[in-house]
Amino acid sequence: GAVVSQHPSRVICKSGTSVKIECRSLDFQATTMFWYRQFPKQSLMLMATSNEGSKATYEQGVEKDKFLINHASLTLSTLTVTSAHPEDSSFYICSASGGELTDTQYFGPGTRLTVL
Amino acid sequence: AQRVTQPEKLLSVFKGAPVELKCNYSYSGSPELFWYVQYSRQRLQLLLRHISRESIKGFTADLNKGETSFHLKKPFAQEEDSAMYYCALYGNKLVFGAGTILRVKS
Repeated sequence: GAVVSQHPSRVICKSGTSVKIECRSLDFQATTMFWYRQFPKQSLMLMATSNEGSKATYEQGVEKDKFLINHASLTLSTLTVTSAHPEDSSFYICSASGGELTDTQYFGPGTRLTVL
Repeated sequence: AQRVTQPEKLLSVFKGAPVELKCNYSYSGSPELFWYVQYSRQRLQLLLRHISRESIKGFTADLNKGETSFHLKKPFAQEEDSAMYYCALYGNKLVFGAGTILRVKS
């Protein structure tokens, strides 16, 4: 149980375009979802926390107009990177918590974004 | 502020040798500490949490508040333990250490 999926697993886009990444909890209701970013050979950095039906809470230094997060249902959160630039290229990972273990986060497999 | 320090980027041991992955933390409140593991080409997954006080895959970790440490230990390393290990602290959010690559050689 407690499986989290992400789609797509890889995306390559041109500079200036927008990219949407989906995060789904497959077998539990995720009251909270988290979005992380991981640079090569570095640790995961929390970008934002989203609760179903409310606005996301962004970490300091993360532009909310750049990284749009929507958590419309208890099983789906989306991260949209707007007007992507090469410096946005990174590995984006979502996690979800909910169900019986409300304080445990279950991680998705990640999405590799490359902006040309 | 929350901070997690994993001083070793890489730890290489022989099969059957003891393993200790170091983790130190900084947090003014009462922390919840976790170890996550990421095997090659797999997603990050929870290995153990200090609250549970359990042993998973032979690994244990004891929270030492005096030394602000949560080192991960296993008495006899196995090749399948080779992975990236992250120590994480939950205060008001989950903060990860930089990670330690464990390589178990045959």
